[in-house]
Amino acid sequence: DQQVKQNSPSLSVQEGRISILNCDYTNSMFDYFLWYKKYPAEGPTFLISISSIKDKNEDGRFTVFLNKSAKHLSLHIVPSQPGDSAVYFCAASGNNAGNMLTFGGGTRLMVKP
Amino acid sequence: DTGVSQDPRHKITKRGQNVTFRCDPISEHNRLYWYRQTLGQGPEFLTYFQNEAQLEKSRLLSDRFSAERPKGSFSTLEIQRTEQGDSAMYLCASSDSPHNEQFFGPGTRLTVL
Repeated sequence: DQQVKQNSPSLSVQEGRISILNCDYTNSMFDYFLWYKKYPAEGPTFLISISSIKDKNEDGRFTVFLNKSAKHLSLHIVPSQPGDSAVYFCAASGNNAGNMLTFGGGTRLMVKP
Repeated sequence: DTGVSQDPRHKITKRGQNVTFRCDPISEHNRLYWYRQTLGQGPEFLTYFQNEAQLEKSRLLSDRFSAERPKGSFSTLEIQRTEQGDSAMYLCASSDSPHNEQFFGPGTRLTVL
């Protein structure tokens, strides 16, 4: 049972435009959500997070939106840059197992120059 | 501090052999996590330490898997009697408190022939 899902395996965007990556979850006990970026042969790198008490968090070009009623979150990257090309994972944690992270399957973002 | 480090970065072994991986977390991070990532999937939680105590190990994939963190600093993950299905990327992460982001190491890629 996949508790965190990223339904788009890949996304292609033109440089300078907005990238929108989506994530859905099923476990209502999740109360903290994170986005990680991963390049080949490297570990995931933390990007941005959001607590369930908020609906938006912004950090530079990255904004995460949380819709608790829909159990949906999204990551917006504006403007997209070629260096943003990577695999993006959303992850969720609740108050269990030391706040272990449950990851989605990832979305490969390609930003074309 | 240069972040979470893992050793070795790559390991090729024959089926039936034992392997051990090491993780050095960020200094002063008391929480340490092990994850496994297979091709096309997000990382999957295995186990978690707070200081030297292993507080969650029910997600270890079988009794062939074990982990230690003897002095609350570095950790080791051992796989006994490796099988081809154990081939994956093994990731270590550390954190200094719950609901703070986990910082990942570069991973150890295991190939079982």
